[in-house]
Amino acid sequence: GAVVSQHPSRVICKSGTSVKIECRSLDFQATTMFWYRQFPKKSLMLMATSNEGSKATYEQGVEKDKFLINHASLTLSTLTVTSAHPEDSSFYICSAKIIGTGAPEAFFGQGTRLTVV
Amino acid sequence: DAKTTQPPSMDCAEGRAANLPCNHSTISGNEYVYWYRQIHSQGPQYIIHGLKNNETNEMASLIITEDRKSSTLILPHATLRDTAVYYCIVNLNRDDKIIFGKGTRLHILP
Repeated sequence: GAVVSQHPSRVICKSGTSVKIECRSLDFQATTMFWYRQFPKKSLMLMATSNEGSKATYEQGVEKDKFLINHASLTLSTLTVTSAHPEDSSFYICSAKIIGTGAPEAFFGQGTRLTVV
Repeated sequence: DAKTTQPPSMDCAEGRAANLPCNHSTISGNEYVYWYRQIHSQGPQYIIHGLKNNETNEMASLIITEDRKSSTLILPHATLRDTAVYYCIVNLNRDDKIIFGKGTRLHILP
């Protein structure tokens, strides 16, 4: 099946710094990628939809200036958590669907565990 | 908001069939039923999807009622590795965003 890769898988950063998370579709092209956040024992919460070549669409309550999303190519989307604080510590997951006549299901990355100290 | 309702947790003995129910009474005619699962500390994994007919693949079977208001995911011979949170999702195909509900935490018991 199609593979979505996230990097890094784990990151620890100091409060006030910024962290970039990459999401790559390894063997397919995706015009749209999705970013989720998941707190312990909770479900995935959609943060934003990342569109190649255009601005991301953020869900209600998600600060676009804090969570910067860039979708520079058909295989790469990045999420930057700016001025991170301990409450931003979470599991961040991206997903993508194959464009065109590809499979209709979504493929998910393995997730990035962010810890802000 | 998620458009599905699932029991919060279920237990199943190893080797037995695990039947996971899902209610989606407000599903529209062009929405599909998708199932994903999430093993602890990993990204979700696609299992199966269907529109009207029952579906089967190497992982599971999906039974959708005739009125499409509910469905059941069947894992025919559950193993310990099937312990996970299972999410039932209704979704249009292609670029429609996926909204997760709370899912069902399935425990496979040895």
